[in-house]
Amino acid sequence: DAKTTQPNSMESNEEEPVHLPCNHSTISGTDYIHWYRQLPSQGPEYVIHGLTSNVNNRLASLAIAEDRKSSTLILHRATLRDAAVYYCILRGSAGSYQLTFGKGTKLSVIP
Amino acid sequence: GAGVSQSPSNKVTEKGKDVELRCDPISGHTALYWYRQRLGQGLEFLIYFQGNSAPDKSGLPSDRFSAERTGESVSTLTIQRTQQEDSAVYLCASSPTWGGANEKLFFGSGTQLSVL
Repeated sequence: DAKTTQPNSMESNEEEPVHLPCNHSTISGTDYIHWYRQLPSQGPEYVIHGLTSNVNNRLASLAIAEDRKSSTLILHRATLRDAAVYYCILRGSAGSYQLTFGKGTKLSVIP
Repeated sequence: GAGVSQSPSNKVTEKGKDVELRCDPISGHTALYWYRQRLGQGLEFLIYFQGNSAPDKSGLPSDRFSAERTGESVSTLTIQRTQQEDSAVYLCASSPTWGGANEKLFFGSGTQLSVL
């Protein structure tokens, strides 16, 4: 799977929007962009994924750049429960079976 | 509906003993992953099963580690002659499919393994 680059950490105030960036300049045309998050002392949980178009669900929105070399996970109103490590992962439809988790972005939410 | 279930939730063992960790995936999920997460570290891929295909064992750190899965059911991860460096949380995840638009991993709560 192609490599992604994320900031090590970010902070947000509670109730404010959070934009978590991810760069993936070597993305291929068939790679899906996945986001997972891991709350303290828990296993990771799926957040959202997309291919080309922006995606929305009850947890978050995913904004994908037109050239697909970057994407942004948007939490519309951060809550204390959103404090977690957020992983941006590229997933191709062929090749390695591995879904590789990098170091992610540790999001802290300030009350 | 039930999620991914892992047992035991905690396991304390002595160095040199064998341990067996169990994962019950979500019913109907063809793909199953094992990961390891050491304290304060990221997820380390161990092994992957997809239906009846040959598993991808490329992440197993040594021949002391092995895993089995029968069809699309339960999987067991076995660690023989445990070492202190094996201490970690072992996470299992299942997905309805591999790759594509419908891939979505569901993780269990993990087994915390402590080797004394």
